[in-house]
Amino acid sequence: DVKVTQSSRYLVKRTGEKVFLECVQDMDHENMFWYRQDPGLGLRLIYFSYDVKMKEKGDIPEGYSVSREKKERFSLILESASTNQTSMYLCASSFAGNERNTIYFGEGSWLTVV
Amino acid sequence: SQKIEQNSEALNIQEGKTATLTCNYTNYSPAYLQWYRQDPGRGPVFLLLIRENEKEKRKERLKVTFDTTLKQSLFHITASQPADSATYLCALDNNNNDMRFGAGTRLTVKP
Repeated sequence: DVKVTQSSRYLVKRTGEKVFLECVQDMDHENMFWYRQDPGLGLRLIYFSYDVKMKEKGDIPEGYSVSREKKERFSLILESASTNQTSMYLCASSFAGNERNTIYFGEGSWLTVV
Repeated sequence: SQKIEQNSEALNIQEGKTATLTCNYTNYSPAYLQWYRQDPGRGPVFLLLIRENEKEKRKERLKVTFDTTLKQSLFHITASQPADSATYLCALDNNNNDMRFGAGTRLTVKP
């Protein structure tokens, strides 16, 4: 079974802190994604990566950065956390290529910024 | 601008009936459309994928249609059960390495 593992399930951070959310997948997927999910807004794409050291902005990249130094690991970084970044963050991965495969999600990381 | 709209935020139906959920999109030309199920506090789980040249896809009690002229997908659950209660998300693959999701429809099946 495909496994996407997010390092932290629940975090509470203070405004201005630097926050790292880590994600690891075990299926050798090329693509990895970070989404945030808020009530009424659904899943919004923050960043995605289609290869090591490659990244693309999604719909809401402001206030976030990402790092992909190894194929299996994709990190989301909040340089200076703010209260409007309180949300559930979902990491996902998929194969690339012409025959598109499904996206596999982690269990989510609930971040509260106080 | 690109938009994905799912018909309603919440849908309540009686056990045994067919649930029909709608996904409409604008300013997309998706090669694939996918449906996911999400339970509270969990990540979404893939259910079905339908390609742009397919009209209909079935899997057990699930059926998905895809009308690229209307820019709409319908997701049906027949003989619904309380265990089908969850939020259902449609997702569009732009064939560009990224996926965009609708806000979801929360389905409640009452016994």
